[in-house]
Amino acid sequence: KNEVEQSPQNLTAQEGEFITINCSYSVGISALHWLQQHPGGGIVSLFMLSSGKKKHGRLIATINIQEKHSSLHITASHPRDSAVYICAVEEYGNKLVFGAGTILRVKS
Amino acid sequence: NAGVMQNPRHLVRRRGQEARLRCSPMKGHSHVYWYRQLPEEGLKFMVYLQKENIIDESGMPKERFSAEFPKEGPSILRIQQVVRGDSAAYFCASSPRDQETQYFGPGTRLLVL
Repeated sequence: KNEVEQSPQNLTAQEGEFITINCSYSVGISALHWLQQHPGGGIVSLFMLSSGKKKHGRLIATINIQEKHSSLHITASHPRDSAVYICAVEEYGNKLVFGAGTILRVKS
Repeated sequence: NAGVMQNPRHLVRRRGQEARLRCSPMKGHSHVYWYRQLPEEGLKFMVYLQKENIIDESGMPKERFSAEFPKEGPSILRIQQVVRGDSAAYFCASSPRDQETQYFGPGTRLLVL
């Protein structure tokens, strides 16, 4: 069993839909990261959080430390949101352990 | 403030050659991380360095791979005697301090022929 599990693996949505991507982990962590990777492109750090909720534009990330679960929400989705979204947990000691990613496609 | 820079962006090597990948962290960042993304696989941690020190190299293959982050200049990931299985995207990230957001570079895509 992987230390970081993401669901769903693939997600197709219509423009404007509300999107949720889930991440569960099995180890103790100091923080959780959400990253975005475009095809053939680099990686952008969206959020780093260790408790509660953070919001940036149309993106919202939440984490429940007791349940070892985090969600990434995208409101009013747009085709430009199409990318791979990666959850990564930071174990004590700074190194990141990554989930397999969720491939999101938003159709217009 | 320029972001994390990596060069080259693409690197082609023949089996047995050496590959040198460079990473210049963001200004003011003294922590550097290297990650590898094999084709069709997720990202994996390789090594964590601070200036002149290797802090955690638990993800580095035991042979042929080495990393450094000298007092002056970029961090270097060096792969000796490359094999086809080394073909991957290598990402560098930097942070200003311990347990802060890591900012990723654009990656170096290594192809071994």
